[in-house]
Amino acid sequence: DAGVTQSPTHLIKTRGQQVTLRCSPKSGHDTVSWYQQALGQGPQFIFQYYEEEERQRGNFPDRFSGHQFPNYSSELNVNALLLGDSALYLCASSPFGTRTKSGANVLTFGAGSRLTVL
Amino acid sequence: RKEVEQDPGPFNVPEGATVAFNCTYSNSASQSFFWYRQDCRKEPKLLMSVYSSGNEDGRFTAQLNRASQYISLLIRDSKLSDSATYLCVVNLLGNNAGNMLTFGGGTRLMVKP
Repeated sequence: DAGVTQSPTHLIKTRGQQVTLRCSPKSGHDTVSWYQQALGQGPQFIFQYYEEEERQRGNFPDRFSGHQFPNYSSELNVNALLLGDSALYLCASSPFGTRTKSGANVLTFGAGSRLTVL
Repeated sequence: RKEVEQDPGPFNVPEGATVAFNCTYSNSASQSFFWYRQDCRKEPKLLMSVYSSGNEDGRFTAQLNRASQYISLLIRDSKLSDSATYLCVVNLLGNNAGNMLTFGGGTRLMVKP
């Protein structure tokens, strides 16, 4: 059973460029969330997609946008790249409506896409 | 003030030692709490959920103090393989909270032979 897969695994861009990162959720999952993890920091929530719509958004500028496709896969787009956008971008999937004992969904993370902006 | 705060460490301990990590969170409305483990250059993986009554999973014990808004993780009989970064995570549940997890910055543990 394939877990969450992300591509590319590594990429290098220059300031001002645009980047698209891709994510295929775990089989049976229909909800995708994206997180940004800067070096030495914890992951920060960017946004979540369910039924092809953005459902929640963290504190990120409009340069960060996304999309979810009918097969539940997702893309993260970042425009006008800044040096500070260099980070590990993590995709996480979950089955919407499934709760753990504590009442929250448990996410499955992909291995991430490591973006370096020069 | 960060929403979830952790001592970044590193905590350097010998094999077999007991080590404890604490974490504080600022939003009193937070409903769900977790510890995740992250190995170097890998993705975070759920270690355990944290319940109000406290819970144990083998050598790992997690506690939640809602009044003081802190969460703890105790690791007994540390193994070399426990070396990793431990992330404290909270989830603000609500109609739209979904999976918007808030992570602390992580505490790095290094277990030495």
